[in-house]
Amino acid sequence: EAQVTQNPRYLITVTGKKLTVTCSQNMNHEYMSWYRQDPGLGLRQIYYSMNVEVTDKGDVPEGYKVSRKEKRNFPLILESPSPNQTSLYFCASHPGGVDGAFFGQGTRLTVV
Amino acid sequence: GDSVTQMEGPVTLSEEAFLTINCTYTATGYPSLFWYVQYPGEGLQLLLKATKADDKGSNKGFEATYRKETTSFHLEKGSVQVSDSAVYFCALRAFNQFYFGTGTSLTVIP
Repeated sequence: EAQVTQNPRYLITVTGKKLTVTCSQNMNHEYMSWYRQDPGLGLRQIYYSMNVEVTDKGDVPEGYKVSRKEKRNFPLILESPSPNQTSLYFCASHPGGVDGAFFGQGTRLTVV
Repeated sequence: GDSVTQMEGPVTLSEEAFLTINCTYTATGYPSLFWYVQYPGEGLQLLLKATKADDKGSNKGFEATYRKETTSFHLEKGSVQVSDSAVYFCALRAFNQFYFGTGTSLTVIP
């Protein structure tokens, strides 16, 4: 089954404690992205990747890091989380062309 | 830059009512257009798409037509059901980047 898998689904952490949210896709897509979803703001792109070892900043990259060492994986790293990073995070992947993106189930992060 | 504007919610309708959610876009070039649906506690799922002007996307009774002259992609359904209650996002794809609207929450009451 074609899917994007994120882990964990829920995470509560404390300010400053490094964390990683994993994302994996099984569709051999070149493109992968991370978004955060906040009430009234919709989805905002954090980072995206066009292929292995190729990444670029989205609209709200501050406080986040990513890496793309393998085509299927695109982890999101928060080196020193802060309460304003409390949000719902989505990973997505898509192929080249005109098709839509596939989304993971989301990760609900709370930073206290 | 490229962007999507969709009508603000929330929208509350009675079962079997007609639904319209407005979406307009700004883009250079020739984007593809999408509607996504997000059910509570889930990720976004592709509902329908249109890749060029005058295309009509349709799925599960929902329809939207790509109108280049009015830069619009309004979502419609003739008779909504309680199970259609969700948040709907309009999106465009241009040069391998996606741009999303802020979402419209729909609640359908029996």
